[in-house]
Amino acid sequence: QSALTQPASVSGSPGQSITISCTGTSSDVGSYDLVSWYQHHPGRAPKLMIYEVTKRPSGVSHRFSGSRSGNTASLTISGLQAEDEADYYCCSYAGSPWVFGGGTKLTVL
Amino acid sequence: QVQLVESGGGVVQPGRSLRLSCAASGFTFSTHGMHWVRQAPGKGLEWVAIISYDGSDKDYADSVKGRFTISRDNSKNTLDLQMNSLRPEDTAVYYCTKAVGVATIGDWGQGTLVTVSS
Repeated sequence: QSALTQPASVSGSPGQSITISCTGTSSDVGSYDLVSWYQHHPGRAPKLMIYEVTKRPSGVSHRFSGSRSGNTASLTISGLQAEDEADYYCCSYAGSPWVFGGGTKLTVL
Repeated sequence: QVQLVESGGGVVQPGRSLRLSCAASGFTFSTHGMHWVRQAPGKGLEWVAIISYDGSDKDYADSVKGRFTISRDNSKNTLDLQMNSLRPEDTAVYYCTKAVGVATIGDWGQGTLVTVSS
């Protein structure tokens, strides 16, 4: 099972919106409503931000939203804040195994 | 509050074994599946293994199948990963994670570093 494809980096200014894409195949992202997104500040535990494509766990800011079109899922962060600077990973269930993206480094300018 | 605390990492020679443990608290451990996920230095996340809530079902990534064994003790709220025949490419931070919902990897521990080197 190949890793999902994410851009290596994205950037935005405070207050702006950014979108991170996550491209898979019809065997993973396109087949299951089981795409999740994680925020990872190096040295800390990764944090679940979006699950089942569009759902937000309690306590996660409404500025984070998820969507999917075909084999590509997306994470959108609106109203960028300095604290959003981190690595972001997508993950899809693929009938066991679970497959992750390579990660995207978000820089808040 | 969910807490997952990994232990057992360290430096080990290629071909040797190591056992990782994860102490869970803050939730009903016996009702949740659990995963191990790893991150090699400078690389992305890689799913390693899953065990069902009662330990009856297990599955592994192809890269570790036949070498790693996941297990749990619901009486002690602990999750283990027995790693045999270790290779340099197994060098990574290993995270203990809790399954939530249908098939989502939810809460994560801080991780424990395993270095395989001669």
